[in-house]
Amino acid sequence: QSVLTQPPSVSAAPGQKVTISCSGSSSNIGGRYVSWYHQLPGTAPKLLIYADTKRPSGIPDRFSGSKSGTSATLGISGLQTGDEADYYCGAWDDSLGAGVFGGGTRLTVL
Amino acid sequence: EVQLLKSGGGSVQPGGSLRLSCTASGFTFSSYAMTWVRQTPGKGLEWVSSITESGYNTWYADSVKGRFTISRDKSKDTVYLQMNNVRVEDTAVYYCARGGIGSLGLDYWGQGTLVTVSS
Repeated sequence: QSVLTQPPSVSAAPGQKVTISCSGSSSNIGGRYVSWYHQLPGTAPKLLIYADTKRPSGIPDRFSGSKSGTSATLGISGLQTGDEADYYCGAWDDSLGAGVFGGGTRLTVL
Repeated sequence: EVQLLKSGGGSVQPGGSLRLSCTASGFTFSSYAMTWVRQTPGKGLEWVSSITESGYNTWYADSVKGRFTISRDKSKDTVYLQMNNVRVEDTAVYYCARGGIGSLGLDYWGQGTLVTVSS
């Protein structure tokens, strides 16, 4: 069981918006930056969001991050079939003295 | 172009040892923390270990503490993961990544190398 909790799957139609939640605690999300990654089948993960809300260069503004208390949310608007992937949140956990990931959310674009 | 090229994966018996290497290019290696992440086939990501830019500080997941050692060689722009006393449950694809998960995120990832622990 992962320290950070994500829904196993989400789905939406092309062009719609979807949100993926990541729930943690005061020792991780509540006091540390959250990052988000997506992973296409057979490929390495790729950074989408860092420091809760920031996008690396090259990541379109369809992807957004937010955080409130001990929960973080990834938003993806204008869904495309190419967005179908597994999405992971990550953070440092001060209690564990280790990094932690969520269990991952599979996005299906119907 | 940032590249992280890995070597050292393969098969090993339980209780054996293996060393993974990840050689960086395209950026100033000594300016970045480095991290190892693994993924059991068909499962999610598991953070394994991180090392600071200087190499003076290291951190490990409880599942590998005391068995794995992360290190870096600035003369070779390479980060290592020495895996000792491996277990069947260490079977996974291992990724090296630039950065630390708690700061600016893991912004570049290597291609992944499969480690299989089996008798």
